[in-house]
Amino acid sequence: RKEVEQDPGPFNVPEGATVAFNCTYSNSASQSFFWYRQDCRKEPKLLMSVYSSGNEDGRFTAQLNRASQYISLLIRDSKLSDSATYLCVVNDANDYKLSFGAGTTVTVRA
Amino acid sequence: NAGVTQTPKFQVLKTGQSMTLQCAQDMNHNSMYWYRQDPGMGLRLIYYSASEGTTDKGEVPNGYNVSRLNKREFSLRLESAAPSQTSVYFCASSEWAGLVREQFFGPGTRLTVL
Repeated sequence: RKEVEQDPGPFNVPEGATVAFNCTYSNSASQSFFWYRQDCRKEPKLLMSVYSSGNEDGRFTAQLNRASQYISLLIRDSKLSDSATYLCVVNDANDYKLSFGAGTTVTVRA
Repeated sequence: NAGVTQTPKFQVLKTGQSMTLQCAQDMNHNSMYWYRQDPGMGLRLIYYSASEGTTDKGEVPNGYNVSRLNKREFSLRLESAAPSQTSVYFCASSEWAGLVREQFFGPGTRLTVL
């Protein structure tokens, strides 16, 4: 079983729509959680960290559910520029390594 | 600041050839990483260096070697390239304080092995 699993999508949504997707992780000892964004043929870049109480950054909302071991990302009022692959990333305490999901592809159409 | 830089950006090798991918960071980070990314597979860790002077195997180390030359530089060497090593290679760096903080990635090297 993969450490981090994501629905690959693609999620194809119109501009202005809301899109949400989840990621599950297998290690209950995981301590840090992130969403990274990767544009086509580019390097991944941090979108936001995910905190226990949930957090927002503009149109983006991230939630963590430790009991069910998943994190979620919701994008409100989608823009064309939100089209990308979103990577779920998990880190265990005292571990230098990050575990990456394979990514969820979002395409926002005009 | 340049952040994380990688060279070369593109490379084509023949089976059996060797090459070294270079990576440097100017953020004074302790930890550096090499990943490969294949379609549908996500990022897989090849090797990492928690701090200057140490290196450790990741998920897919076979066929690769690394050198942490100093705090700034971390190179990845393919001694005898194989078609299965065709991939996009990313170098990354981060600070670590009990937990990994944000990882910063280089622009990637697109390698094709014929």
